[in-house]
Amino acid sequence: DVRLLESGGDLAQPGGSLRLSCAVSGFTFRNFAMAWVRRAPGKGLECVSSLNGPGDMIYYADSVKGRFIISRDNSKSTLYLRMDSLRVEDSAMYYCAKLRGETYPTYHFDSWGPGTLVSVSS
Amino acid sequence: HSVLAQPPSVSGAPGQRITISCTGSSSNIGAGSDVHWYQQVPQTAPKLLIYGNNNRPSGVPERFSGSKSGTSASLAITGLQPADEADYYCQSFDNALSGSPWVFGGGTKLTVL
Repeated sequence: DVRLLESGGDLAQPGGSLRLSCAVSGFTFRNFAMAWVRRAPGKGLECVSSLNGPGDMIYYADSVKGRFIISRDNSKSTLYLRMDSLRVEDSAMYYCAKLRGETYPTYHFDSWGPGTLVSVSS
Repeated sequence: HSVLAQPPSVSGAPGQRITISCTGSSSNIGAGSDVHWYQQVPQTAPKLLIYGNNNRPSGVPERFSGSKSGTSASLAITGLQPADEADYYCQSFDNALSGSPWVFGGGTKLTVL
């Protein structure tokens, strides 16, 4: 069974930092692109960042560019999201998701973790 | 606003058929990118419902189906059940964005009356 489990969500102050982790099992982690998707209260889903299997092709949403860093440790089957300069609008449930597809235009998120909650407030 | 446009809400009675539209543009759906659909029941993670425009993952009932034409796509649910009450999102790939190319619609809340 494919399993993804996020951790690291917490209450942080504006301007603060957090590091999210996602431990996976049930598939060959290094072979798949992975992503962080968030859902803020009252809003829809947003893919904030993704990276390919080797970790050398990375995308960031404009809303987090320059503040968040995505990375992966294929030896530990773990995905990370370093979040700096946090803003109130970053408050959301953050999901780790596995990407699947033949080419970029076919990619979809076929497995999701239960999420970890990030709250940014003074 | 979202790159992919969805109606904020739809509703239907048990047993009825509903559809949810997803309207994109020439840089995403119209460019040939696949459309995928997700179901998010309150307080749970999103779940893949339809991938590659009209394919169901194992375990998804045949009551759920997808279609795509031009710059739009639709999700249809037949034989509505109370358990179908959830938020539904379409997703595709956009080749014209400066940020993340995997984009979602704004979501549609389905209410089963």
